[in-house]
Amino acid sequence: DAKTTQPTSMDCAEGRAANLPCNHSTISGNEYVYWYRQIHSQGPQYIIHGLKNNETNEMASLIITEDRKSSTLILPHATLRDTAVYYCIVIAGGTSYGKLTFGQGTILTVHP
Amino acid sequence: GAVVSQHPSWVICKSGTSVKIECRSLDFQATTMFWYRQFPKQSLMLMATSNEGSKATYEQGVEKDKFLINHASLTLSTLTVTSAHPEDSSFYICSARERDNWSYEQYFGPGTRLTVT
Repeated sequence: DAKTTQPTSMDCAEGRAANLPCNHSTISGNEYVYWYRQIHSQGPQYIIHGLKNNETNEMASLIITEDRKSSTLILPHATLRDTAVYYCIVIAGGTSYGKLTFGQGTILTVHP
Repeated sequence: GAVVSQHPSWVICKSGTSVKIECRSLDFQATTMFWYRQFPKQSLMLMATSNEGSKATYEQGVEKDKFLINHASLTLSTLTVTSAHPEDSSFYICSARERDNWSYEQYFGPGTRLTVT
């Protein structure tokens, strides 16, 4: 599976959009981009995933560049409860069990 | 929907004893369950993958005789830490993939904090 690079930490003001980047320059054609987050001392939570089209759900939007070498997770109106570690994970389609490999992620801190 | 529970949420045990952690999918059937370990200020590390009715597949460096995994049904997997030592103290998290769900979305349990004294 392709390796991902994320900034170590980011800050965001409450109510503003949080834009979390992820670089996956070695991604191949059948690999998906998944985003999870982990609030302190809890299990991770699925946020969103995509292959090449932009995706949106009730939690966030995922913007994937045309060459698919990077993506951005957007939390449109960040709240204090969005403070967490955000993980960008690339996983190949067709993987029989779908193992997730977690990197260090981005620590997002939302300030009042 | 898609809730995964773990029991216990925290446990303290003495060195040399064994501890069993349960992971249950409450409202779906899980053909595949995963066990992770997380040390303070570190990321999650996959320990093993288990499929219902078959032996678990362990990641490199994880001792299968020390961390016994049983996935006896489509809703229950257990992790037993045998002869626990202080270095096994960690946050253990399970996750599950829903049966017949083509995506790689995993539903995670709340975690079990193990402290070995």
